Amino acid sequence: DIQMTQSPSSLSGSAGDRVTITCRASQPISSHLSWYQQKPGTSPKLLIYASSILLTGVPSRFSGSGSGTDFTLTISSLQPEDFATYYCQQTYSPPWTFGQGTKVEI
Amino acid sequence: EVQLVESGGDLVQPGGSLRLSCVASGFSFSIYSMNWVRQAPGKGLEWISYISSSGSSIYYADSVRGRFTVSRDNAKNLLYLQMNSLRAEDTAVYYCARDSHHPLPSGGITIYFDSWGQGTLATVSS
Repeated sequence: DIQMTQSPSSLSGSAGDRVTITCRASQPISSHLSWYQQKPGTSPKLLIYASSILLTGVPSRFSGSGSGTDFTLTISSLQPEDFATYYCQQTYSPPWTFGQGTKVEI
Repeated sequence: EVQLVESGGDLVQPGGSLRLSCVASGFSFSIYSMNWVRQAPGKGLEWISYISSSGSSIYYADSVRGRFTVSRDNAKNLLYLQMNSLRAEDTAVYYCARDSHHPLPSGGITIYFDSWGQGTLATVSS
């Protein structure tokens, strides 16, 4: 199975901060990488797929990059509504594994 | 509007069974692959099962293979997860998620989960 490792596990930020979350795959996965946002008590929401393609309607302050084994999710200017947990997921080969999550807190 | 609504979660004793359902609306259910993803209390997301649009291709996570069975009824827009031999560690919120595809510049097609239900809680405890 492909293991996905996110770092950091949590981070504290303030409105306006630039935030970067890293996701590393245990083997190359090309660009088969998605990012999800989950707020407490709600279901996950897709932000980015194919490593860097922003889902329609997602604010442009979110961006994704990477290929192979190393990927990043960047929030260019943190907004109050961005405080949530973020997960990466590989869909290169089943099982479609998720990272352990990164909690973005104030 | 795409909607996925799960149901069937309940409190069940270890060794018992549950059948979860997910009803889809707002899109052509029969042409989409579907997935089940679960989340134990306070924990991260765990993908557990995939079923292709026709039901001909099915995958499971090792943690549930042999105990859980995914199926679908395209005429009724329903996705199911039959869960047998339940264990305490199966306690989780179970989400159904729709699968979409996108071609990659490097070749091949990537998949992603673009719509999720609100989840249903299955609790396994004596």
